[in-house]
Amino acid sequence: GIQVEQSPPDLILQEGANSTLRCNFSDSVNNLQWFHQNPWGQLINLFYIPSGTKQNGRLSATTVATERYSLLYISSSQTTDSGVYFCAVGRLLRDDMRFGAGTRLTVKP
Amino acid sequence: DGGITQSPKYLFRKEGQNVTLSCEQNLNHDAMYWYRQDPGQGLRLIYYSQIVNDFQKGDIAEGYSVSREKKESFPLTVTSAQKNPTAFYLCATRSETTGHYGYTFGSGTRLTVV
Repeated sequence: GIQVEQSPPDLILQEGANSTLRCNFSDSVNNLQWFHQNPWGQLINLFYIPSGTKQNGRLSATTVATERYSLLYISSSQTTDSGVYFCAVGRLLRDDMRFGAGTRLTVKP
Repeated sequence: DGGITQSPKYLFRKEGQNVTLSCEQNLNHDAMYWYRQDPGQGLRLIYYSQIVNDFQKGDIAEGYSVSREKKESFPLTVTSAQKNPTAFYLCATRSETTGHYGYTFGSGTRLTVV
């Protein structure tokens, strides 16, 4: 099956710093989604982005499907950004999604 | 409000017991999924259902069972055959809106064997 690798596994930032999280995948995909898992375990959808670039406030994401990677950018980080960020991919539109191991982000005040 | 409701939030199981986790949705989505998350790990697929009265095994189906009698409901039973059931269980549905086939998740159930 498709392999998903996220980097870095852990990231510690001071409040106000910027960061880039990466998701590499081993095969072509038609579905890609970024999630934030909050301290209570809830998975919040950030972006559905199988290709192209999207922005939502301080967050933006870019997927280069032909090169099999996606990037999540967090600017001016806040303590509430802390948590685990997951990338999930699917080869076909109606396939189940495969998850990476996540990037654990800690933002210090 | 449209969404996914998982219950209970916390569940304790004794050795040898079967327990059932509930997942109910009012998003009118056909596809539903169960994932398991162990501490510090990603999500692994247990079972999924693309349509009522049909479901498929995922990567770690052993020791689990599901049913899909109604579009809104996809309960997961953790049987006594599951040797290490302590984990966080997440239910998801998948959108079928053109241009958006992403997941929405419920808030999860934490199962602990005592």
